[in-house]
Amino acid sequence: DAGVTQSPTHLIKTRGQQVTLRCSPKSGHDTVSWYQQALGQGPQFIFQYYEEEERQRGNFPDRFSGHQFPNYSSELNVNALLLGDSALYLCASSLVRGEGLNTEAFFGQGTRLTVV
Amino acid sequence: AQSVTQPDIHITVSEGASLELRCNYSYGATPYLFWYVQSPGQGLQLLLKYFSGDTLVQGIKGFEAEFKRSQSSFNLRKPSVHWSDAAEYFCAVVPRTNAGKSTFGDGTTLTVKP
Repeated sequence: DAGVTQSPTHLIKTRGQQVTLRCSPKSGHDTVSWYQQALGQGPQFIFQYYEEEERQRGNFPDRFSGHQFPNYSSELNVNALLLGDSALYLCASSLVRGEGLNTEAFFGQGTRLTVV
Repeated sequence: AQSVTQPDIHITVSEGASLELRCNYSYGATPYLFWYVQSPGQGLQLLLKYFSGDTLVQGIKGFEAEFKRSQSSFNLRKPSVHWSDAAEYFCAVVPRTNAGKSTFGDGTTLTVKP
């Protein structure tokens, strides 16, 4: 089992550009959550995808959007990049069981985004 | 809204000494509770987790944590610290109905003196 995989591992972009980050969930998982971890802070919840729809969203602007594919993999898109978007972006996968309960979430190693 | 407080931003201990990292949470019900460790430039590694039952949970690398409902705390402990334990430690609160939506503290950086 490869666990949660993210690509790319590192990325450098220029202010104003757009970026797409990718996540493949752990085998058997159907839910993907995205987090932003700025330097010196804990991860902050961006949003979560389940059944190809955004299920929940944290306090992030609309410049942050996502997608989930039928194979449960997911993309995080950020438009009009700002210097403040520089961070480690983490993906976590989990499995929805009955009655709205989820299994434990597993995290990927993250994508380090630097905006210059 | 749920929140997690890790009161100690930075802790320094000598190798071989005991360690306790504090975590307090605010949540309407009993959540799942996790401790993660992160080395520089790396992702999160799960140390241990509390779901229910015994309030003292054992994790990897000799770590343990105790859930105290009355104090809304989930402190991490290790009896004897090794130099390789130097890293950043995060406590997280996870709703029982949505394990993917974790709320993290801002972390405690552990430095180990030789």
